[in-house]
Amino acid sequence: EDQVTQSPEALRLQEGESSSLNCSYTVSGLRGLFWYRQDPGKGPEFLFTLYSAGEEKEKERLKATLTKKESFLHITAPKPEDSATYLCAATQGGSEKLVFGKGTKLTVNP
Amino acid sequence: GAVVSQHPSWVICKSGTSVKIECRSLDFQATTMFWYRQFPKQSLMLMATSNEGSKATYEQGVEKDKFLINHASLTLSTLTVTSAHPEDSSFYICSASGTPGSYNEQFFGPGTRLTVL
Repeated sequence: EDQVTQSPEALRLQEGESSSLNCSYTVSGLRGLFWYRQDPGKGPEFLFTLYSAGEEKEKERLKATLTKKESFLHITAPKPEDSATYLCAATQGGSEKLVFGKGTKLTVNP
Repeated sequence: GAVVSQHPSWVICKSGTSVKIECRSLDFQATTMFWYRQFPKQSLMLMATSNEGSKATYEQGVEKDKFLINHASLTLSTLTVTSAHPEDSSFYICSASGTPGSYNEQFFGPGTRLTVL
């Protein structure tokens, strides 16, 4: 069964304290690995898509990387406004369905 | 670009009534739209996939007669929760894909909070 597992469930950081979120996947024929940000009571906001191992993408303080078994979302010098739940999702070849992990709730304290 | 809207943003209804939720892609043509349900502190669970002009494909365990999906155009899909009950209270989110050059990326609407009394 295709699975996406995120860790940790929750992460508290001080402003400026860099860290990484993990997303491990067991999806046969990975087509794409997606990262989304979700604020409370809102829909997910698209961040990145990664398609192949070794690929990296950056946006402001965020950088996403992909290996054959997992993806990392690195947050450099986070700010309080980066507080949100970060969701990882994967699709496999032949399907547009997104299989979501349970998310990592990030809290950045000033 | 890639903006998806939902209406209403929240709705409260009595048990036994039906509720319709609209999902619109505002600046692109969505060949496929998806409907998700999210319970508190849970991740998104796919309910169904719909392609414009054809019947929706429902995930296992989702009652197609209870959750009616219509995808009448490339910019509009609707979800109707029929004979709603308190256990149907949830956060319903739609997404759309079809943006040229962004193969199978899904863009999500802001969600609709349904409360059934």
